[in-house]
Amino acid sequence: DAGVIQSPRHEVTEMGQEVTLRCKPISGHNSLFWYRQTMMRGLELLIYFNNNVPIDDSGMPEDRFSAKMPNASFSTLKIQPSEPRDSAVYFCASSSPTLEIYNEQFFGPGTRLTVL
Amino acid sequence: KNEVEQSPQNLTAQEGEFITINCSYSVGISALHWLQQHPGGGIVSLFMLSSGKKKHGRLIATINIQEKHSSLHITASHPRDSAVYICAVVRDSNYQLIWGAGTKLIIKP
Repeated sequence: DAGVIQSPRHEVTEMGQEVTLRCKPISGHNSLFWYRQTMMRGLELLIYFNNNVPIDDSGMPEDRFSAKMPNASFSTLKIQPSEPRDSAVYFCASSSPTLEIYNEQFFGPGTRLTVL
Repeated sequence: KNEVEQSPQNLTAQEGEFITINCSYSVGISALHWLQQHPGGGIVSLFMLSSGKKKHGRLIATINIQEKHSSLHITASHPRDSAVYICAVVRDSNYQLIWGAGTKLIIKP
């Protein structure tokens, strides 16, 4: 298995532009997580999906952020409009189906976002 | 006080040394994760524990639920073990994931 796939690996954009980050979870995993990592705040859980349904989006910083999971093999995290303080590494993770919501998570390589 | 505390924050050791990283938490949990983040940024899930002890290669993780404490041990440490090690707990009341600040480990040859 290729593991969790994220694209792009690096994104540089200007303030005000729309940014879309993409994630392909491991096949068969039914939970998907989006995290943001910054030097100041460390790793933060933004949102997680279970069976394509958003379960907890309390970590999403504000209305400029939105996430979708249209099917079991694809998710997007969109920032519109982007701001310099959104600069961070964004990780996607997936886990296999169990009764627990948080099972062992497999992380993607991350997308390094820089907003100028 | 943070709900998850890791110690030490930074650790430098010589190759071959036995390494221990500690994690203490103050909330009720259903599980605890140990994660490894390499200098390039990638994160690897090492262990998920709810009780007892797990071993994978040179890595050993233990948890004491009564004392609300977990340790990650590395035997025969190697420079490639240099990374940030992160402890994260799953709060049992609402499944919230609470992260420790991480321990930066450097193993010198």
